[in-house]
Amino acid sequence: NAGVTQTPKFQVLKTGQSMTLQCAQDMNHNSMYWYRQDPGMGLRLIYYSASEGTTDKGEVPNGYNVSRLNKREFSLRLESAAPSQTSVYFCASSDSLTGNQPQHFGDGTRLSIL
Amino acid sequence: LAKTTQPISMDSYEGQEVNITCSHNNIATNDYITWYQQFPSQGPRFIIQGYKTKVTNEVASLFIPADRKSSTLSLPRVSLSDTAVYYCLVVENSGYALNFGKGTSLLVTP
Repeated sequence: NAGVTQTPKFQVLKTGQSMTLQCAQDMNHNSMYWYRQDPGMGLRLIYYSASEGTTDKGEVPNGYNVSRLNKREFSLRLESAAPSQTSVYFCASSDSLTGNQPQHFGDGTRLSIL
Repeated sequence: LAKTTQPISMDSYEGQEVNITCSHNNIATNDYITWYQQFPSQGPRFIIQGYKTKVTNEVASLFIPADRKSSTLSLPRVSLSDTAVYYCLVVENSGYALNFGKGTSLLVTP
């Protein structure tokens, strides 16, 4: 049972390059999320998708775009990467957008921007 | 979002019981208290969630006093593999946002 799968696991980009981070879940969850985690910090929400066909901004959306491709897949795009976007990116999913539904996380994409 | 406060770090020996207390003074009526665990190079993993009193599962227990302004995660007889960061979150039942904060870094030694 794979759960939440993120690709790639590691990536190095140059400033100004673009990239799409992929996320897929096999738990038939309705809601999906993208977080970033910087050293010594907690996770911060970038974007989320309550259900297929909807997306909304989280706490730190600037510089990112997302696409909810279908119920399983939720991608995060960096159009013009900046060094400040060097971080570990986590995708998560949950059954619904309510507080009593635990979120299930992937193992992250470690992104370095030079 | 209800803000939480928890110790930055804790140390324990193998076999001991570890209690991590989290304060959330402005918790709202419909908020849930949720704990996640994160190992290095992995995503957070849900441990336990509660609304009031006590909740127990195969991994941990969660104690919540009547005023709900604090909660305590109890890990019985920890092992080296329990070394991780533990996050206390207060989550709105009608909301989505998880405010992870910096968590408590637990180090278990032999």
